[in-house]
Amino acid sequence: NAGVMQNPRHLVRRRGQEARLRCSPMKGHSHVYWYRQLPEEGLKFMVYLQKENIIDESGMPKERFSAEFPKEGPSILRIQQVVRGDSAAYFCASSPPGSGRMNTEAFFGQGTRLTVV
Amino acid sequence: KQEVTQIPAALSVPEGENLVLNCSFTDSAIYNLQWFRQDPGKGLTSLLLIQSSQREQTSGRLNASLDKSSGRSTLYIAASQPGDSATYLCAVYGQNFVFGPGTRLSVLP
Repeated sequence: NAGVMQNPRHLVRRRGQEARLRCSPMKGHSHVYWYRQLPEEGLKFMVYLQKENIIDESGMPKERFSAEFPKEGPSILRIQQVVRGDSAAYFCASSPPGSGRMNTEAFFGQGTRLTVV
Repeated sequence: KQEVTQIPAALSVPEGENLVLNCSFTDSAIYNLQWFRQDPGKGLTSLLLIQSSQREQTSGRLNASLDKSSGRSTLYIAASQPGDSATYLCAVYGQNFVFGPGTRLSVLP
C-alpha cells in the first residue's frame, strides 16, 4: 500500500508562472488536506477537500491559489502568477472516510518544494 | 481559534538521556492529538496518535500523554539515540490539523 504520493518533489518556477502540485492520497482515502511550510516556520493549514468537494478553505490565500480533488485522479493545488513569497514546502495529507473523527490519523506525503526565482 | 505551542524550541542532549517534549493547545475541543517527526528537507512521519478519550499511547521508546482539560501533551523519549535527531511536531485535530512550531532535537553521540 503506497503512501501519500506528491509530485513533483521539487519545482522551480519564474515569477508570474503557474505552479501545479499533485497529491495522490493513500489507497482508500478520500480526504485530502494541504499544508504550507515556509522556511523556518511551522505547517499552516490551507485547505481540506473530499472527493469533488472543498470542505474548508479557510487557510487559502484569497487570490491566485485554488485546489481541487476530482472524482478521478489526484488532488491538485494550483498557484497562479507565482511570487517569491510562494517559495515553500507544500505538504499533502490524507485520511480515510468514515473512520470516526477520533480515529482520524493523517498520513503525509514527502512534500513539494517550490522555489520561485 | 486553536493555537498550539511547543516547548522547548530546541534541545541538545548527550546520547542516552531521557527527554520530555511539551505541547500546549488553547482549545480543548479536539478529537485527537498526533505527534510527528520531521527530518531536514523531508516529509512528516507519524509517531503516535492519541484519541481525545485516551490518556497516553506508547510505541517502543516513545510515550505520549494527553491531558485534554488542561490543554497539554508530552512526548517522552527514553534512552535517546543520535538517530532521534529531528524536529518533533505535535498537531491537534479539531476542524482540521493545527500544528505547533516544533521542537528541534539534537542527540549527540
